[in-house]
Amino acid sequence: EIVMTQSPATLSVSPGERATLSCRASQSVSSDLAWYQQKPGQAPRVLMYSASTRATGIPVRFSGSGSGTDFTLTISSLQSEDSAHYYCQQYNNWPFTFGPGTKVDIK
Amino acid sequence: VQLVESGGGLVQPGGSLRLSCAASGFTITSDHMSWVRQAPGKGLEWVSVIYDGAITQYSDSVKGRFSISRDSSKNTLYLQMNSLRAADTAVYFCARSGYGVWAFDHWGQGTLVTVSA
Repeated sequence: EIVMTQSPATLSVSPGERATLSCRASQSVSSDLAWYQQKPGQAPRVLMYSASTRATGIPVRFSGSGSGTDFTLTISSLQSEDSAHYYCQQYNNWPFTFGPGTKVDIK
Repeated sequence: VQLVESGGGLVQPGGSLRLSCAASGFTITSDHMSWVRQAPGKGLEWVSVIYDGAITQYSDSVKGRFSISRDSSKNTLYLQMNSLRAADTAVYFCARSGYGVWAFDHWGQGTLVTVSA
């Protein structure tokens, strides 16, 4: 099983500042990686797939990068509505696995 | 596209439950469909997938106890859960893979399964 780790566990950022979230896989997943945003009481929403492709309707302030084992999700100018949990997920190998998540708080 | 889960509830350890996920806006047998769960206050855990007709995969934690299926006439996805344990307590989401990859582009709102005596 591919183990996904995320850092930091919690990130506190001021509005308008940049937020950088990291995700690491225990072995290469190529670019088979997605990022999801989840707010309390809601289902997750896909932000990025194939590591760097923005999903439909996702604002351009969200961007993804990386391949192999190291990935980054960047929120270029944090908005209040970006307060949420963020999860990475690999779909290169069964079983699909998620990272433990990063909680983004607004300062 | 809309996914609506149902069938959750309180069940005793060792019991069974069947979850349903009614789909609209697309044909459920044309896409890869998964179940993902989230224990209270915890992260996301992929549970099972059905694709290319009736090919299935399961996480090790549910293999042999859970069974995924779909009914084209009802456009509905199912998860039959047997031998339930306290550790299976979670909100269960159905999700569709989209964009030509396995990432989940649409999710249901989830249904809560509580396993407790």
